[in-house]
Amino acid sequence: GENVEQHPSTLSVQEGDSAVIKCTYSDSASNYFPWYKQELGKRPQLIIDIRSNVGEKKDQRIAVTLNKTAKHFSLHITETQPEDSAVYFCAATAGGSQGNLIFGKGTKLSVKP
Amino acid sequence: SAVISQKPSRDICQRGTSLTIQCQVDSQVTMMFWYRQQPGQSLTLIATANQGSEATYESGFVIDKFPISRPNLTFSTLTVSNMSPEDSSIYLCSVGGLAGMDTQYFGPGTRLTVL
Repeated sequence: GENVEQHPSTLSVQEGDSAVIKCTYSDSASNYFPWYKQELGKRPQLIIDIRSNVGEKKDQRIAVTLNKTAKHFSLHITETQPEDSAVYFCAATAGGSQGNLIFGKGTKLSVKP
Repeated sequence: SAVISQKPSRDICQRGTSLTIQCQVDSQVTMMFWYRQQPGQSLTLIATANQGSEATYESGFVIDKFPISRPNLTFSTLTVSNMSPEDSSIYLCSVGGLAGMDTQYFGPGTRLTVL
């Protein structure tokens, strides 16, 4: 079945710097890759997603890139702010199925003022 | 997106008892899912709640332990049966299929502690 690896597990950056989180997936049939942000004690919030027919997507300070050949996708946050501090999860659809998401283990991002 | 609510928001239960968690969404959705998130861990899919038919369980999860109902397109329940301390976790429902898209949105979660 699908396996999603996420790195790094923790990331600490200075305010204003960029942060990059990388994920790899195993199932070449996966076609949807969302990213969620989870603040302490709160539900995961979708921040950006990308589908397999697109190589890159950007939304203000957040961007996601997808390399289908290498089976990896990355989250890029520019001009980080303290409120970006949270745990970020990547996910991929399992076996190309509609809806079944397999999550990475998460990255705890700390942005220091 | 949609407004998703869960009841209860938290509970403390005794070993051997069962708890039913409700998930309500304010619009009809084609897909509803149940996840478990153990403390400090990632999200693990328990099952897909199918409207009008039996839920589809992921490896490691069985219907006798986690019976699921989905009577209509806006409501689902997950029961955690014969609980043990290892069941202490956050249980989240998610919905998808809004506007025909597979994007999933999560409910606020139910924090379960089993003593």
